[in-house]
Amino acid sequence: NAGVTQTPKFQVLKTGQSMTLQCAQDMNHNSMYWYRQDPGMGLRLIYYSASEGTTDKGEVPNGYNVSRLNKREFSLRLESAAPSQTSVYFCASCTEPSGANVLTFGAGSRLTVL
Amino acid sequence: AQTVTQSQPEMSVQEAETVTLSCTYDTSESNYYLFWYKQPPSRQMILVIRQEAYKQQNATENRFSVNFQKAAKSFSLKISDSQLGDTAMYFCAFMGGNAGKSTFGDGTTLTVKP
Repeated sequence: NAGVTQTPKFQVLKTGQSMTLQCAQDMNHNSMYWYRQDPGMGLRLIYYSASEGTTDKGEVPNGYNVSRLNKREFSLRLESAAPSQTSVYFCASCTEPSGANVLTFGAGSRLTVL
Repeated sequence: AQTVTQSQPEMSVQEAETVTLSCTYDTSESNYYLFWYKQPPSRQMILVIRQEAYKQQNATENRFSVNFQKAAKSFSLKISDSQLGDTAMYFCAFMGGNAGKSTFGDGTTLTVKP
């Protein structure tokens, strides 16, 4: 049982390049999330998808776009990467968009923008 | 908007001793949930314990327990009989009824010494 799978695990980009972080879950969860974690800080919500076909902005959405491709997959795209986007990115999912449900996290993707 | 504050950036404890990690939060919501997550060097986010705000009884999970003081908006984590494997960063997190409103503290790095 894979849970939440993120790819790639590591990526180095140059300023201005674009890339997409992929996330897939096999738990039949309705809700999916993208967070970023900067050194010495907690996780900050970038975007979330309460259910298939919907997406909403979180706390720090600027510079990112998302796509809920289907129930399993939720991708995060950086159109023009900036050094300020150097971070570790986590995808998470849960059954329904309520704090009553526990988030299951992926292993994280470390992105460095030079 | 809600805030979560962890006032102890780093803590250490001797193996087999007890340690308490502090967390305070601020919110105007009445329906919410509080969590402690553990992040070991592997970077994986692991749920430690969860508390529903409407429950007065403090949550416990084996060696982990919380002291939930709703009026004071305090949610501390007590780790009893500390083990070397407890060494990790611990995050306090708030989630409202809509899990899109998730807020994490900046974390406390706990080191368990032999």
